[in-house]
Amino acid sequence: EIVLTQSPVTLSLSPGERATLSCRASQSVSSYLAWYQQRPGQPPRLLIYDVSNRATGIPARFTGSGSGTDFTLTISSLEPEDFAVYYCQQRAGLPTFGQGTKVEIK
Amino acid sequence: EVQLVQSGAEVKKPGESLKISCKGSGYMFTNYWIGWVRQMPGKGLEWMGIIYPGDSEIRYSPSFQGQVTMSADKSINTAYLQWSSLKASDTAMYFCAKTSNSNGFSWFDPWGQGTLVTVSS
Repeated sequence: EIVLTQSPVTLSLSPGERATLSCRASQSVSSYLAWYQQRPGQPPRLLIYDVSNRATGIPARFTGSGSGTDFTLTISSLEPEDFAVYYCQQRAGLPTFGQGTKVEIK
Repeated sequence: EVQLVQSGAEVKKPGESLKISCKGSGYMFTNYWIGWVRQMPGKGLEWMGIIYPGDSEIRYSPSFQGQVTMSADKSINTAYLQWSSLKASDTAMYFCAKTSNSNGFSWFDPWGQGTLVTVSS
């Protein structure tokens, strides 16, 4: 099983700041990595797929990058609605999710 | 609009059986896989498995193989997740989701609203 480790567990930032979230895979997942956002009381929503492609309707402030085992989700300037939990997922093998990073208001 | 609508919250006792549902609309139900994801209280997401409604092919995560049963009725665009004997540890929110393309191991988009299952004596 491919294990995804996300860091940090919690990120405390203010609106307007830049957020950088990390996802590290236990083995190469090539470009088969996605990011999801889950707001409180809501189902997850696909943000980024295949490392860097924004899903339909996702604002340009969300950017994905990386390759192989190290990946990053960057939110260029946090909006109030961006404070949520973010999960990475791989599908290079049996799909698995990371444990999540909570972006909270500082 | 592509939409997945799940059945309502359930409260059950240990040992009871349960079947929850996920109805798809706005797309060709038989052409995309439906996946199930567990989220235990205050925890992260766990990939349980996927089913292809076109021919009912199923791929389970080893962690859930034998613990749950997935099925689908393509005549009514509905997928199901069922338990024959619930345990307290099955208490969780269960999400269904559509794959983004016809590839089984594909991204999930969109997701249903979730079904909360509570198992307590």
